[in-house]
Amino acid sequence: ELKVEQNPLFLSMQEGKNYTIYCNYSTTSDRLYWYRQDPGKSLESLFVLLSNGAVKQEGRLMASLDTKARLSTLHITAAVHDLSATYFCAVPNTGNQFYFGTGTSLTVIP
Amino acid sequence: SQTIHQWPATLVQPVGSPLSLECTVEGTSNPNLYWYRQAAGRGLQLLFYSVGIGQISSEVPQNLSASRPQDRQFILSSKKLLLSDSGFYLCAWRRHDRPVEYTFGSGTRLTVV
Repeated sequence: ELKVEQNPLFLSMQEGKNYTIYCNYSTTSDRLYWYRQDPGKSLESLFVLLSNGAVKQEGRLMASLDTKARLSTLHITAAVHDLSATYFCAVPNTGNQFYFGTGTSLTVIP
Repeated sequence: SQTIHQWPATLVQPVGSPLSLECTVEGTSNPNLYWYRQAAGRGLQLLFYSVGIGQISSEVPQNLSASRPQDRQFILSSKKLLLSDSGFYLCAWRRHDRPVEYTFGSGTRLTVV
């Protein structure tokens, strides 16, 4: 079974600071997804990374994918309170079933 | 455009009672459909997926079952709920011919008491 690990699980950071969330996965995949989940809500798609070396940016978030290292990063620049949420990475297996990371609960403190 | 509907939004059920959660997709045909569960403070776990009517694959053994009686309808059921079945249940779909795009429903918060 494909395993997806995220770290840290919990992240508390001050507004204006930078930080990176890491996502490691156990088997070969050329695609990786990042989602955001607000409390009690469904998942909102943030990024779809489709190839090795892919980098995507939206506002203060930037995601990258290294398929050789089986690693994706989600970098947060100059955090603001609105970014407080839980962030999940997800990796599809060859049958296109999704496996999610454990999630990173981010709290941005004023 | 395609939309996904999931209901009910919240549900409180006693232990031992049956369960039926429904998910329907509009605006597409032959979608791949998925049921996920998120226990409190945990990540998402794939429970079932379906690539067509009557075709169900189970990822983990559990107290739940799934059915797909129609092309765009996916149902999650239990004959007798356990306390451990509590959680947030999410339905998702993707187009059969476009594996990149996944869309999630709004979720059902199930509390078994």
